[in-house]
Amino acid sequence: NAGVMQNPRHLVRRRGQEARLRCSPMKGHSHVYWYRQLPEEGLKFMVYLQKENIIDESGMPKERFSAEFPKEGPSILRIQQVVRGDSAAYFCASSPSGPSNYGYTFGSGTRLTVV
Amino acid sequence: DQQVKQNSPSLSVQEGRISILNCDYTNSMFDYFLWYKKYPAEGPTFLISISSIKDKNEDGRFTVFLNKSAKHLSLHIVPSQPGDSAVYFCAASYSAGKSTFGDGTTLTVKP
Repeated sequence: NAGVMQNPRHLVRRRGQEARLRCSPMKGHSHVYWYRQLPEEGLKFMVYLQKENIIDESGMPKERFSAEFPKEGPSILRIQQVVRGDSAAYFCASSPSGPSNYGYTFGSGTRLTVV
Repeated sequence: DQQVKQNSPSLSVQEGRISILNCDYTNSMFDYFLWYKKYPAEGPTFLISISSIKDKNEDGRFTVFLNKSAKHLSLHIVPSQPGDSAVYFCAASYSAGKSTFGDGTTLTVKP
């Protein structure tokens, strides 16, 4: 009964490189959400995906950021040409049937450091 | 424009006493409100929620109160325990959409 699995836990990238963050939702969950937490701030919504579909990407920066949740395999958050301001904790969450009053199940996060 | 606000960055209480964490929101369309707890280096964990048609929901030591007219909700923890020390996030959603989070309140429960 593994929970939401995120990897890597820590990722260091140099400015200009690409960062790929992976998220495997809980078994039976087909809805995935990505949130970002900058230092000393709260969780900011980035994107909500179902299998093969982006439902809401209103929180995604328009450039350099993309997300996918393919039919097979984990959800991927991709950041191209990283900059120091991308340094943050990125959390993935999942739910079985869309947002509800039962909340999301979160992973432990990926801490991205851009040097 | 921050739609969910937790105006107290931190709160310190004595073990055994009540902890009250507050949250304000601006969007009257929100119909579900949730509280999460987060320990360092871990993801948030869902605690308790409340629908906008209710004004109170209780689960063990945790009670959430909703005042729709004031657009305010609070989380009460009674009695507080040292293990409750964590960051608490308030979140809100509407029409089964995404959850919007506040910036969190760090609760410290002193033995």
